[in-house]
Amino acid sequence: AQSVTQLGSHVSVSEGALVLLRCNYSSSVPPYLFWYVQYPNQGLQLLLKYTSAATLVKGINGFEAEFKKSETSFHLTKPSAHMSDAAEYFCAVSAQGGKLIFGQGTELSVKP
Amino acid sequence: NAGVTQTPKFQVLKTGQSMTLQCAQDMNHEYMSWYRQDPGMGLRLIHYSVGAGITDQGEVPNGYNVSRSTTEDFPLRLLSAAPSQTSVYFCASSRQAYSNQPQHFGDGTRLSIL
Repeated sequence: AQSVTQLGSHVSVSEGALVLLRCNYSSSVPPYLFWYVQYPNQGLQLLLKYTSAATLVKGINGFEAEFKKSETSFHLTKPSAHMSDAAEYFCAVSAQGGKLIFGQGTELSVKP
Repeated sequence: NAGVTQTPKFQVLKTGQSMTLQCAQDMNHEYMSWYRQDPGMGLRLIHYSVGAGITDQGEVPNGYNVSRSTTEDFPLRLLSAAPSQTSVYFCASSRQAYSNQPQHFGDGTRLSIL
């Protein structure tokens, strides 16, 4: 069975600092992995996805994530945080039949 | 294209009342699903559908019913609302029920049950 663990329910960074949001997964088959972002009072938007084509995946808004099979990780990074990046971020692994298994979410705060 | 549209956006119910949360998509997607979002628990799958006339249970189906009579619509029914069903509900769709397909989400329905 697949599962996802996001380390840290809340992360706070200063504007211009590196953003690192951690995600570890468990899967008995090669996984498909996703990062979604949720702005207040909105639905989830796809940031990026890993579907085995390349281990370093670039997404929207300057975010990227690296798939590391040996560490079962798919951490999300952005070199320089902007105030507009403040949101909740969800890592998800795809189970059989297209179902998504979500992590608990990480709320990112950006300080001026 | 409107994408995935959910109605209503907010609703307050009394315990024992019934209601239907509406979800419609205009992308001709085969796969549709319902999630509930609770603080610290991420999103949990309630029910899903891989096509018209086909539905199945997710992780937390108790207290909810669904049907899929058309490709576009996937309503979620609460038969007898309970306070434990207070949550934010999201509908999502994807082109096909394959694991590599990203899902498109609606803006959610915020439901409070007193």
